[in-house]
Amino acid sequence: GNSVTQMEGPVTLSEEAFLTINCTYTATGYPSLFWYVQYPGEGLQLLLKATKADDKGSNKGFEATYRKETTSFHLEKGSVQVSDSAVYFCALSDTPGNQFYFGTGTSLTVIP
Amino acid sequence: ETGVTQTPRHLVMGMTNKKSLKCEQHLGHNAMYWYKQSAKKPLELMFVYNFKEQTENNSVPSRFSPECPNSSHLFLHLHTLQPEDSALYLCASSQHRGLESGANVLTFGAGSRLTVL
Repeated sequence: GNSVTQMEGPVTLSEEAFLTINCTYTATGYPSLFWYVQYPGEGLQLLLKATKADDKGSNKGFEATYRKETTSFHLEKGSVQVSDSAVYFCALSDTPGNQFYFGTGTSLTVIP
Repeated sequence: ETGVTQTPRHLVMGMTNKKSLKCEQHLGHNAMYWYKQSAKKPLELMFVYNFKEQTENNSVPSRFSPECPNSSHLFLHLHTLQPEDSALYLCASSQHRGLESGANVLTFGAGSRLTVL
């Protein structure tokens, strides 16, 4: 079946540090992969996506590359800011059916 | 107003009350979803509507009753809830089911925080 595993948090970083949040997936077909972000008191927002192997999604300085050979979609950012403090969710969506599978979320706190 | 709007944002109810959560989307989408978000658990998909037809009910107890009168509105009717039902209930919408997976992106509302006493 389909599933997503992401690293346990919480993660605490100093401002301007490098961020990596690991995400691996299991899928029977050719899924699309997503990172969503949830700021305090809000719903989930799409951060970036990749729809096929070797695609790189990017947005707001965040990047993730769809790696079929390692079934991974790790989220990275070169220099985090306090405003990046949030919970990050890795997700996949299959074809057909468009069922979404979410990871458990990784909480990030960035301190000045 | 744009995006996905959920009301109320906060709700406290007793176990014998009946209340409803409302979701409205202004994105022209045709699929709508209810998710439950509890602390330290993965997001749980509860119900899916595609073109107003319910296409998924993930073994949700009957004390939760969804209603989708049109593609823009989704309700979750709550009746005789238990304290363990306290959670953040998220509504989402997408273009429609059956699209190529990367094209069917979920857009979420801010959620309704439910507390059952």
